[in-house]
Amino acid sequence: DVKVTQSSRYLVKRTGEKVFLECVQDMDHENMFWYRQDPGLGLRLIYFSYDVKMKEKGDIPEGYSVSREKKERFSLILESASTNQTSMYLCASSPRTTGELFFGEGSRLTVL
Amino acid sequence: GQSLEQPSEVTAVEGAIVQINCTYQTSGFYGLSWYQQHDGGAPTFLSYNALDGLEETGRFSSFLSRSKGYSYLLLKELQMKDSASYLCAVGSGGYNKLIFGAGTRLAVHP
Repeated sequence: DVKVTQSSRYLVKRTGEKVFLECVQDMDHENMFWYRQDPGLGLRLIYFSYDVKMKEKGDIPEGYSVSREKKERFSLILESASTNQTSMYLCASSPRTTGELFFGEGSRLTVL
Repeated sequence: GQSLEQPSEVTAVEGAIVQINCTYQTSGFYGLSWYQQHDGGAPTFLSYNALDGLEETGRFSSFLSRSKGYSYLLLKELQMKDSASYLCAVGSGGYNKLIFGAGTRLAVHP
């Protein structure tokens, strides 16, 4: 079975803290993605990566950065967390263009 | 710009058929996908249409008209477990980058 694993299901951080969200996939997929999901807004793409060390901004990259040093791992970094970054964060991976993304279980981040 | 529109809620009766619509505007179309998401769960892939027409997978079917910017998901023989949110997503810009709609919450009643 395809598996995408996110390091933490629930996190509580304080404003200004640096936050790392980790995602690992075991399918040897080229593409990896970070989305955030908020009620009424759906999933919004933050960043994606199509190869090791390659990254592209999505629709809402402000306040975020990413790292992909190995093919199986894609990290989302909040340099200085703010309350408006309280959200559900979903990582996904996919092979090349198939329309199918494989999602992790999500990381619910609360910034106080 | 890119936009996807879906109804926010749909209700139906167990055993019935329900259709969930999705209209979209996008530059650079790479296909349209449908996902199911139960409360507290991750989205799971249901179907993908790259070309016009109907794709069927068991009780679920998805239709695409590229000229009209329109798709629908058809669910037959509804079961209580089909109560979930259904998300349409368009591929945009290659690399399997998907832009999602806000989702339609389906409530199935006995």
